[in-house]
Amino acid sequence: AAGVIQSPRHLIKEKRETATLKCYPIPRHDTVYWYQQGPGQDPQFLISFYEKMQSDKGSIPDRFSAQQFSDYHSELNMSSLELGDSALYFCASSEDYRSETQYFGPGTRLLVL
Amino acid sequence: LAKTTQPISMDSYEGQEVNITCSHNNIATNDYITWYQQFPSQGPRFIIQGYKTKVTNEVASLFIPADRKSSTLSLPRVSLSDTAVYYCLVGDMGEEGRRALTFGSGTRLQVQP
Repeated sequence: AAGVIQSPRHLIKEKRETATLKCYPIPRHDTVYWYQQGPGQDPQFLISFYEKMQSDKGSIPDRFSAQQFSDYHSELNMSSLELGDSALYFCASSEDYRSETQYFGPGTRLLVL
Repeated sequence: LAKTTQPISMDSYEGQEVNITCSHNNIATNDYITWYQQFPSQGPRFIIQGYKTKVTNEVASLFIPADRKSSTLSLPRVSLSDTAVYYCLVGDMGEEGRRALTFGSGTRLQVQP
C-alpha cells in the first residue's frame, strides 16, 4: 500500500540558511500534518492543512511557513535556521480533517550546524 | 489546552499483558482517543482509536471509562518487538477555536525475554 513520502530524508544546513521539506500524502488523503521531534523528545504538532487551507496551528515558529498545493502535497519552509531546529520532521496524512487516524511518513532528519 | 499524562516508562516480560493508562482530563466532547507506537527514528504508527467504552483490534484493546477522562491501552502477550514508545493522542481546542493535536508524554515500554 502507498505510504506518505517525505523528501529529502536527510538534510544538513548551516545557521541562518533556509530549508524546504516536502511531503506527499497517501493518495486521496486531503489532510496533512507536520510534526517536529527533537532528540529524546515527543513529537510536537506544528501545523496542518485540509483541502489546501490551513486548518490547525501548533507551535510553529514564525520563521517557518507551510502550504498545501493543488495536488495535496505540502511543503514546510524554514528560514533563518537555528541550531535548535535540528530535529526529525514528520509529515502525516489522514483521509479528512476530523479523522484522528494519521499515517506518518519516514521523516526528514534536519541537522543545523 | 488539554494535557495528557502517561507513565514515563514500563517494563514487562515476553508473553505478559501490558496496560498503559493515559489521563486526559479536559478532553472535548467530540474528540477521539488514538494510540500510536513509535520505534527510534521512525514515524509513529497507528495502533487503535476509540471514543468510549471498549475497542478491540488484532493488536490491542482500548478501554475508555464513561467520563472519558482517561484511557487504557492493553497489549496482550507482548513480545520483544513491542519494545517502543507508546503515545496517546487526543484532539483538543487550540487557539482561535481550532483543534490542535497533542501527543501525550509517551510511555517507553521495555519488553524483556
